[in-house]
Amino acid sequence: EADIYQTPRYLVIGTGKKITLECSQTMGHDKMYWYQQDPGMELHLIHYSYGVNSTEKGDLSSESTVSRIRTEHFPLTLESARPSHTSQYLCASSAGGDAGELFFGEGSRLTVL
Amino acid sequence: GQNIDQPTEMTATEGAIVQINCTYQTSGFNGLFWYQQHAGEAPTFLSYNVLDGLEEKGRFSSFLSRSKGYSYLLLKELQMKDSASYLCAVMDSNYQLIWGAGTKLIIKP
Repeated sequence: EADIYQTPRYLVIGTGKKITLECSQTMGHDKMYWYQQDPGMELHLIHYSYGVNSTEKGDLSSESTVSRIRTEHFPLTLESARPSHTSQYLCASSAGGDAGELFFGEGSRLTVL
Repeated sequence: GQNIDQPTEMTATEGAIVQINCTYQTSGFNGLFWYQQHAGEAPTFLSYNVLDGLEEKGRFSSFLSRSKGYSYLLLKELQMKDSASYLCAVMDSNYQLIWGAGTKLIIKP
C-alpha cells in the first residue's frame, strides 16, 4: 500500500505552460527526491531534499524548481514546458542518513505537445 | 565518471533460475541496491548489500564483491510475475544513488 502519492498521474499540456507536479508522503521521511525516467532508461535525479527548507539540484535540474515547506510535501514546478520535458516523473522518499531504500510514488507521466 | 553496467535484456523459462549481473565504477561505495520495476510502474526495493557475500531473501538472493565492483541478483523458481526490469543502484561517497539502466527480464512459459 502506497504511502507516497503523486498527482496528476497523467498530464497532456501545450508548450509554454507552467505546471506543478505534486508529491506527498505520510511516512515522516526526511529525504525526498524527484527523478525523471524515459522508457528503458536509467533514473536521472532532478532535485532532492534533506528536510524542510532544504533543496538541492541533481543532474537535470536546470529547467525546474522545487520547494520543501513541509516535511510531507515536495512539489516540482516546470515554469515553461517544452516537448523535451515529455517523460515519466517519479517522486521518492527515504528515511535519511545512509538509508538507500527509496519508496516511490506511482509516477506522473507528462506529455508536452 | 561513475558508471553502472547491466545487461539490457535477458530471457528465462518459468521455474528456472536466472542471474542478473551488475558491475559498477563509482566515487566511493556505501552500498548496492536492487530494485524491481514492472512496466509502467514505480521501482520497488528488493535487496541491499554493503558487505561482501550473499544476502538471501526468499526466492531472491543478491551477491556483492566490492573488490571486483560486481554484484548479481539471483532469482529462483521463476514465475511469470517476475517479468520486469531489475535496476542496480550504488550509493556513492556523497550518499547519492547512481542507477543502472536496468535489465528487462522476460519469462517464457
